Amino acid sequence: GQNIDQPTEMTATEGAIVQINCTYQTSGFNGLFWYQQHAGEAPTFLSYNVLDGLEEKGRFSSFLSRSKGYSYLLLKELQMKDSASYLCAVRDPIKAAGNKLTFGGGTRVLVKP
Amino acid sequence: NAGVTQTPKFQVLKTGQSMTLQCAQDMNHEYMSWYRQDPGMGLRLIHYSVGAGITDQGEVPNGYNVSRSTTEDFPLRLLSAAPSQTSVYFCATMDTRSGNTIYFGEGSWLTVV
Repeated sequence: GQNIDQPTEMTATEGAIVQINCTYQTSGFNGLFWYQQHAGEAPTFLSYNVLDGLEEKGRFSSFLSRSKGYSYLLLKELQMKDSASYLCAVRDPIKAAGNKLTFGGGTRVLVKP
Repeated sequence: NAGVTQTPKFQVLKTGQSMTLQCAQDMNHEYMSWYRQDPGMGLRLIHYSVGAGITDQGEVPNGYNVSRSTTEDFPLRLLSAAPSQTSVYFCATMDTRSGNTIYFGEGSWLTVV
């Protein structure tokens, strides 16, 4: 099975940096996704990591360590519009499972002025 | 939410009623899936399909049926609605040939009273 843990809520100040951690214990691994979800809206894709290391995309970066079962999403130069939930998800390693994702409970980030 | 259309957006049902949530996509994606999202529990996979004529169960399939007669459509049927099925439902698709991005529909808010 899959077990994915991330903090429930984080608060940060506009312009600051916030790091959202995600740890996973899974029976296999075929990639980790990060999604952003604003209240009342669908999740939108932020990043995908399948190899160890850091992936950078503008103000957002995602890191993966497969040996530690650990990932983080780094949000820099926080803006008010970054207030949202951030979802960590691990993809099922079995090809026949058709790219099933198991999601963590999500981290709600509140950006204050 | 490019190309994934869910209907209805909001629905109130009485316990025991049946209904179908519709999901249609125009991107010719092979993979389609249904998730439900409850507070603090992230998204949980209900059913998925890797192509027309092929469906399989996810993590929480009880009380739901699906079919995939065409590539474009993947309806989710609630057979006899229960208050425990009050949730937000998301349809998602993925182009398994060319990338790892999952596209979510806008969501359907279902209340069972």
